[in-house]
Amino acid sequence: DQQVKQNSPSLSVQEGRISILNCDYTNSMFDYFLWYKKYPAEGPTFLISISSIKDKNEDGRFTVFLNKSAKHLSLHIVPSQPGDSAVYFCAASEVQNNAGNMLTFGGGTRLMVKP
Amino acid sequence: NAGVTQTPKFQVLKTGQSMTLQCAQDMNHNSMYWYRQDPGMGLRLIYYSASEGTTDKGEVPNGYNVSRLNKREFSLRLESAAPSQTSVYFCASSARTSASYEQYFGPGTRLTVT
Repeated sequence: DQQVKQNSPSLSVQEGRISILNCDYTNSMFDYFLWYKKYPAEGPTFLISISSIKDKNEDGRFTVFLNKSAKHLSLHIVPSQPGDSAVYFCAASEVQNNAGNMLTFGGGTRLMVKP
Repeated sequence: NAGVTQTPKFQVLKTGQSMTLQCAQDMNHNSMYWYRQDPGMGLRLIYYSASEGTTDKGEVPNGYNVSRLNKREFSLRLESAAPSQTSVYFCASSARTSASYEQYFGPGTRLTVT
């Protein structure tokens, strides 16, 4: 059973508008969350992260929101740009366990930003 | 600074053949990881090495072996390839400090087993 789920396989947004990518998790032991961006034929690249002691983290156009009670996080991209078109992966980690930062990934959401 | 490098980029194997995927990092990271990516499944951890000299199984280790050759290099071996191992394989590394949990990925190896 997948512990991290991204229920929308794809999302299409107009340039300049907001993109909202969602992620749900089931393991209450997860205490650190990350978003990765992946272009075709490349490896994933780190985008932004959030610790479970926070509910929001912002970096330029990217903001991640965490709702621990709902076991839900979201990535907001404002304004969206055509170069943001990629697959976005949500990942989660149990920082406190002995394995350190093993990541569990969601299935990914393909974002398409139309000019 | 090359980051994480992987060789080869592409490989086609016949069922039953063996091969080793190579990975190296130049960021002086302690931890290294091997993932496979399949459509709709995200990335799944095959094996990891928390530090030089240690290796542990991840979520999907069956059919694979690994070697942490030194701090820089972590290889993944398929002893007898099967069509179910057709996938894109990514190597990653991380510093694994209390302030940083990000993993840095290589460009991937696309493997097809016929």
